[in-house]
Amino acid sequence: QVQLQESGPGLVKPSETLSLTCTVSDGSINSDTSYWIWMRQPPGKGLECIGYIYYSGITNYHPSLKSRVTISLDTSKNQFSLSLSSVTAADTAVYYCGRMSLTYYIDVWGKGTTVTVSS
Amino acid sequence: QSALTQPASVSGSPGQSITISCTGTSRDIGGYNYVSWYQQHPGKAPKLMIYEVSDRSSGVSNRFSGSKSGNTASLTISGLQAEDEADYYCTSYRSDSFVVFGGGTKLTVL
Repeated sequence: QVQLQESGPGLVKPSETLSLTCTVSDGSINSDTSYWIWMRQPPGKGLECIGYIYYSGITNYHPSLKSRVTISLDTSKNQFSLSLSSVTAADTAVYYCGRMSLTYYIDVWGKGTTVTVSS
Repeated sequence: QSALTQPASVSGSPGQSITISCTGTSRDIGGYNYVSWYQQHPGKAPKLMIYEVSDRSSGVSNRFSGSKSGNTASLTISGLQAEDEADYYCTSYRSDSFVVFGGGTKLTVL
């Protein structure tokens, strides 16, 4: 069973770049049957899709985050990453990585990692 | 403001049935059968319950069922149990190739 694990700094300063990595275990990221997705959940609020990437490198980003977001793959490490630039307090959230099917349901989730934006 | 609209809360007594609605537009729910539902307990990652409108994920009780009519999808839980108390989220594919979420519904088992 595929497992996902997020990693990265838990504290980021305002205006800096948030960088997270998702490590995929017991499965290959180089698969044409899945997308790899990043989501977040601000404290006490609902879930939001940040964006997703296909093994070919094709990406799709949240319209309001598009100018600040980059999602990339590292097939040599079986990982995919999230970069979110110019962060503010509004980017404070639990960040989840996931595996999404080609019919757009997320069947595998990481446990989530909390990122706080504060000076 | 979330792209899909869910009631903030619903409640029911053990053994009863409840339905959670998820309303979108013809660009998302109404246009595609790519609606899924997730259960999230406090402090935990969400868990897939229903995919492609009405298919149950592996291991999910048959007390959970999904449906869709027009631009509104629904999740029904029958025979409510205390362990069903959680937040529930719907998602849908949208015509701009994005995935949108509902704002979430808190289910309270009385």
